[in-house]
Amino acid sequence: AQSVAQPEDQVNVAEGNPLTVKCTYSVSGNPYLFWYVQYPNRGLQFLLKYITGDNLVKGSYGFEAEFNKSQTSFHLKKPSALVSDSALYFCAVRPFYGQNFVFGPGTRLSVLP
Amino acid sequence: NAGVTQTPKFQVLKTGQSMTLQCAQDMNHEYMSWYRQDPGMGLRLIHYSVGAGITDQGEVPNGYNVSRSTTEDFPLRLLSAAPSQTSVYFCASRAGSNDQETQYFGPGTRLLVL
Repeated sequence: AQSVAQPEDQVNVAEGNPLTVKCTYSVSGNPYLFWYVQYPNRGLQFLLKYITGDNLVKGSYGFEAEFNKSQTSFHLKKPSALVSDSALYFCAVRPFYGQNFVFGPGTRLSVLP
Repeated sequence: NAGVTQTPKFQVLKTGQSMTLQCAQDMNHEYMSWYRQDPGMGLRLIHYSVGAGITDQGEVPNGYNVSRSTTEDFPLRLLSAAPSQTSVYFCASRAGSNDQETQYFGPGTRLLVL
């Protein structure tokens, strides 16, 4: 069965510090990997995706993510956090031969001023 | 483009009542889906459609019906609401079977079943 894990319910980081939101997955074959962000009372917004190629992908708002096939991970990173980055972050995977996305439970990021 | 729109934004139902959550997209996307979001569980797929006239069940389809008579619209029906269906519902769409396509989400419908 396909699954996505986000081991931390909550991540707190000081403004200006680097941040990491972790994601690991279990899926057969080569997956397509996504990060979405949800601000309060809003729908999910696309941040970035990994399809193939360079393991480090860059996305919106200065975020990037590193695909690690051996560790089946796709951690989201940002060199310098902003208070406005505070939101709920979802990792999602789409199996190569599948139609549907599988989402992780979400990680709430709080950036403290 | 308005993108993906959902109505209503918020609804309160009594147990046993029925209602339809509306979803529309103006991007000519083939693929549409409905998710429910519950605390600590992420988004779970309810139903999806790969084109007009074609629908299929997702992970948690029980208690919900869908239809896809047009490319633009994908309504979700609750025939007899239950408190367990209290949740936030999101509709999403993407262009098609291209593996690289990103999903676009609507703003959500918050449903409370008493």
